[in-house]
Amino acid sequence: EADIYQTPRYLVIGTGKKITLECSQTMGHDKMYWYQQDPGMELHLIHYSYGVNSTEKGDLSSESTVSRIRTEHFPLTLESARPSHTSQYLCATGGGYEQYFGPGTRLTVT
Amino acid sequence: KNQVEQSPQSLIILEGKNCTLQCNYTVSPFSNLRWYKQDTGRGPVSLTIMTFSENTKSNGRYTATLDADTKQSSLHITASQLSDSASYICVVSDRGSTLGRLYFGRGTQLTVWP
Repeated sequence: EADIYQTPRYLVIGTGKKITLECSQTMGHDKMYWYQQDPGMELHLIHYSYGVNSTEKGDLSSESTVSRIRTEHFPLTLESARPSHTSQYLCATGGGYEQYFGPGTRLTVT
Repeated sequence: KNQVEQSPQSLIILEGKNCTLQCNYTVSPFSNLRWYKQDTGRGPVSLTIMTFSENTKSNGRYTATLDADTKQSSLHITASQLSDSASYICVVSDRGSTLGRLYFGRGTQLTVWP
């Protein structure tokens, strides 16, 4: 089973601030993903990566950006946070059929 | 349109009772179907994965079934425990491990009362 970590777990921040959500995994998987999930709703893929220096946008349009400089790290950045960005952000990594999810970051923008 | 529909939306049962959650999908082509358990404020954790040729798979007190002809799956929980309280999410993939597109249901919120 993959070990995958996200920090911070909870973040409350004011409008206009720049934020970076961290995601790291220790299993050496090439594939990594970012999902956005609102309460009672399904997960939506916002970014994914096949490996170092590979990033693609997902199905749900997002103002966030990602980078993949190292295999184990896949940070997500919002240059200027807005209340509409309030959501839970889940990072995942995958091997074969399986996807392993991190604990998530609950972001609230006031 | 590829969709995953789950029912019921929410369910309350007493500890020790059994329950069955339903998942209907229209995803095509079909590769595999997964059931995840998501505790409040946590990431989903995989319970089972079934491919086209599998029609039942168990993981402890969890048993999933798949009917690929009718495009239906169920998750049966036996002898429920308080720790089973969570959202159960059905996920269908259309291309397997090569970053197949994953289609997520909205989940069934299960509450187990003592």
